Amino acid sequence: GENVEQHPSTLSVQEGDSAVIKCTYSDSASNYFPWYKQELGKRPQLIIDIRSNVGEKKDQRIAVTLNKTAKHFSLHITETQPEDSAVYFCALPGGSQGNLIFGKGTKLSVKP
Amino acid sequence: NAGVMQNPRHLVRRRGQEARLRCSPMKGHSHVYWYRQLPEEGLKFMVYLQKENIIDESGMPKERFSAEFPKEGPSILRIQQVVRGDSAAYFCASSGSLSGGSGELFFGEGSRLTVL
Repeated sequence: GENVEQHPSTLSVQEGDSAVIKCTYSDSASNYFPWYKQELGKRPQLIIDIRSNVGEKKDQRIAVTLNKTAKHFSLHITETQPEDSAVYFCALPGGSQGNLIFGKGTKLSVKP
Repeated sequence: NAGVMQNPRHLVRRRGQEARLRCSPMKGHSHVYWYRQLPEEGLKFMVYLQKENIIDESGMPKERFSAEFPKEGPSILRIQQVVRGDSAAYFCASSGSLSGGSGELFFGEGSRLTVL
């Protein structure tokens, strides 16, 4: 089945710095690449996604880039703020339609 | 428009007891997914259901675990004879039509099971 590896597992940045989280995958047929954010004790929520016909997508301070040749996609957060502190998960379509397989998560800490 | 509703939010069981977790998907959604999250870990897929059908249960342990999504009422994840290792947060998610093969999953707040 599909496998996704996410790095780093933890990331600490100063407020205002940028943060980058990367995921690599193995199935070249993957065509949907979402990122979810989970604040402490809360539900995971979709923050941005990209489909395979696009190389980059941006939404204010967050962006996702996709390199299909190298089979990796990355989340970029610019001008980080303390409220960006959370666990971020990348995901890929799983074996059955609609199901998502999640990376192990990156715990981002933004220090004021 | 209510989101995905899960109950109970917290459940404490002793070893050997049964745990039943309920999930009502968002209005209009017919696809339900259950995930398990251990402390400090990621979301592990368990089972995917549509009304009255189990579509994919490849992530669910073969013993003690079962799931259903009846024609009427919520989806239920049932864990029989719980053990300490079952302690985790169980998240339910739902989705609507699957454009392009995948779409956004909307998660509930989770049910946190503690086995004593």
